[in-house]
Amino acid sequence: GQQVMQIPQYQHVQEGEDFTTYCNSSTTLSNIQWYKQRPGGHPVFLIQLVKSGEVKKQKRLTFQFGEAKKNSSLHITATQTTDVGTYFCAGQRGGGGNKLTFGTGTQLKVEL
Amino acid sequence: DSGVTQTPKHLITATGQRVTLRCSPRSGDLSVYWYQQSLDQGLQFLIQYYNGEERAKGNILERFSAQQFPDLHSELNLSSLELGDSALYFCASSVSTSVEGIYNEQFFGPGTRLTVL
Repeated sequence: GQQVMQIPQYQHVQEGEDFTTYCNSSTTLSNIQWYKQRPGGHPVFLIQLVKSGEVKKQKRLTFQFGEAKKNSSLHITATQTTDVGTYFCAGQRGGGGNKLTFGTGTQLKVEL
Repeated sequence: DSGVTQTPKHLITATGQRVTLRCSPRSGDLSVYWYQQSLDQGLQFLIQYYNGEERAKGNILERFSAQQFPDLHSELNLSSLELGDSALYFCASSVSTSVEGIYNEQFFGPGTRLTVL
């Protein structure tokens, strides 16, 4: 079945440092979504990428979808304590109609 | 607040028992999804319903079942509970898919924390 892996599993950074999490799928994706889950909270949708090579920005967050549509990344510039949480990617296999498969998640901790 | 409600918030029960988790989707959303999240684990997709019909199935155990009612609320039934079933169970809803068959963003409820003793 489809597998979606994320690296790293954990990341500790100092406030102000940059952070990147990578998402890799075993199959070609039609689209990918990113979610953030704060400690003790529920996942919250951040963004969806559909086109090959697509890049989207949300303030300090930059999302990228690979040319082959098998990988994606989320980059946070100058992390803040409010960025703490687990970031999940979720991919839908090409062809549509298939369920979203969530990645393993990257847990980000930001220290002052 | 995502607009998705789940009850109860916490549930403590014993092995072998049966429980029912309830979810009310956002107003207007026809799709409901159930996920299991164990401690320090990712989100495991269990099942999706769309307008009362089962749409997609994930790694859902035979001891688990779900349904979506005409008013669109959904229930997840877990039976013959085992210690390993202890987890956070999330319900999510969405407008289902776009015209192109692409899943729209999902709105997650606050979850039900199930503890099996």
